Formats: sequence, C-alpha cells, structure tokens
Amino acid sequence: GDSVTQMEGPVTLSEEACLTINCTYTATGYPSLFWYVQYPGEGLQLLLKATKADDKGSNKGFEATYRKETTSFHLEKGSVQVSDSAVYFCALSSGNTPLVFGKGTRLSVIA
Amino acid sequence: DSGVTQTPKHLITATGQRVTLRCSPRSGDLSVYWYQQSLDQGLQFLIQYYNGEERAKGNILERFSAQQFPDLHSELNLSSLELGDSALYFCASSVADRVNTGELFFGEGSRLTVL
Repeated sequence: GDSVTQMEGPVTLSEEACLTINCTYTATGYPSLFWYVQYPGEGLQLLLKATKADDKGSNKGFEATYRKETTSFHLEKGSVQVSDSAVYFCALSSGNTPLVFGKGTRLSVIA
Repeated sequence: DSGVTQTPKHLITATGQRVTLRCSPRSGDLSVYWYQQSLDQGLQFLIQYYNGEERAKGNILERFSAQQFPDLHSELNLSSLELGDSALYFCASSVADRVNTGELFFGEGSRLTVL
C-alpha cells in the first residue's frame, strides 16, 4: 500500500539556520503530496502541497518540490525562526485514498 | 482556528470502559475523518464518512465504531478500552470525499488516557 517515510527527529537548529526534512514515498498511480505542520497543543494544518510532478509548493518561506524520479518531497527553508518549532508531517493521497502520513519530524529552533 | 470542534479535549478512564468522542466539522464540509496519533505509530487513519455514509476504513479495531449524523457531526465510540488505546484522537473534515487536491482541516484533538 501507499506509504511515506520521513527523516527521524528530533531536529534542533539555531535561528537562521537552513532546514531540510527528507520525505520519500511509495504509491500507486500519481499521488498528491502534502506537508502538514502541528504546533504545540494544536491540530495539524496544511503547510503546502503539490499535485503533480515537478510542482513546487511554497508557503511561509517553506518549499518542497515533487520529484517523481526520486519519489521525494523534501521540505526546505532557508532561514528558520523560533516560531517554526513544531512537528512536520509529510503526507500523500492517491485517487480515493485518505491521507497517509509519515511519522512526523519534531523541529526545535533555539535563539 | 480550523473550524473543526472536538469534545472532550481530555478524557481519563479505566480499562474495560467505553467512551464517545464527538466531532463537529467545518461549516459546509461533508467529509469527516478520524485519526489516531500515538508516539510509536504516528498518525493512523481510522475511518472516513462522507455525507452520512462510510467512505473508507483504515486500521480501526473492531472495538471501535463511528457514525456521522444527518447534521454531519460525527462520533467515535471506543469500547473495552485497553491501556494501548491511550492516544490523541483527531477529527478532520473536508468539502469533498477525496483529498488528493484539497486539504484536511483538523480539530485540536481529544486526548484519551486509559488507566
């Protein structure tokens, strides 16, 4: 079945450092890919998405590019802030299937 | 605020008991999804309803059941509770029955502790 594998956390970075969270997927067909973020004490919220190969999703300084050849959707940000501290989930949906999530990566940014 | 409301926020109960978690979806959304979040398993999809009908089923135990009512709110019933059922249970909603181009809106979750 469909699955998502993302890098284990936790990740701790200093403010203004570069961030990359790796995400690879296995799916039948052509899935849509998502990054969700969960801030402390809150539910998940959509950060960005890409629905076809080579699409780049972006929001709040975060970017991810749908790479069909490497089945990847890595999350990147050039300069993280303390307010970016959260758990980040990579997810996919193909056809009629509900979202399948990775296990999440906890990011802590220190000033 | 996502517009999805879950109650209760916290629940502590004993093994063998039964609990009901409630979810009100975002206004206008017809689909409701239930997910279980635990430390070791991550986010696991349990079940989806669309406009009152069961649409998809995931890793939901037989001890668990759900339904969506005519007013579109949903309830997740957990019975014969075990210690391992302790988790955060999320409800999410969406307009359509598919999410491959849209997005899910999540509630803040119901934290269940089974002692």
